[in-house]
Amino acid sequence: AQSVAQPEDQVNVAEGNPLTVKCTYSVSGNPYLFWYVQYPNRGLQFLLKYITGDNLVKGSYGFEAEFNKSQTSFHLKKPSALVSDSALYFCAVVEGDDKIIFGKGTRLHILP
Amino acid sequence: EAEVAQSPRYKITEKSQAVAFWCDPISGHATLYWYRQILGQGPELLVQFQDESVVDDSQLPKDRFSAERLKGVDSTLKIQPAELGDSAMYLCASSLEGHMNTEAFFGQGTRLTVV
Repeated sequence: AQSVAQPEDQVNVAEGNPLTVKCTYSVSGNPYLFWYVQYPNRGLQFLLKYITGDNLVKGSYGFEAEFNKSQTSFHLKKPSALVSDSALYFCAVVEGDDKIIFGKGTRLHILP
Repeated sequence: EAEVAQSPRYKITEKSQAVAFWCDPISGHATLYWYRQILGQGPELLVQFQDESVVDDSQLPKDRFSAERLKGVDSTLKIQPAELGDSAMYLCASSLEGHMNTEAFFGQGTRLTVV
């Protein structure tokens, strides 16, 4: 069965520094990988997805993610963090049956 | 900008009572999802509709939960009777063609507290 792991409950980064939010996955076939963000009292918002092609995927708000098949990872990155990036981030994987599995989430704190 | 509408935003109910949530997806979106998000965890799929048909309800506790999307547009999720463990955020999402082909748009959710 497919699964996704986010090993960090919380990540703290100083404003202006690069940020990374980690995600690893486990699937039996080719993965469809997603990142969603959840701001307080809001629903999840789509950031980016990887289906096939270039391993570096660019998404909304300056975020990007790198697909690494050998390490089964899909880490979310941003070159320069903003205070407004503080939110809850979810990695997710979809397999052939179109069922999406979310990770438990990583809370990102950007410190001014 | 089109949004997925959910109501109510907050609901407090006593255990053993019935409760219902409503979702209006983005116009034209054939796929509709209901998720449950327990505090500190990621969303878990409860039920997925394609138009008016249930595609996946394998994680829906059918002894107390029911969901319908009668005309293939808006949807209702019902819990009867509610239990303390049902306290969570209930999220509705919609997409044009499912997660694999198009992104899903989420509503703001209904936060349920069972007392």
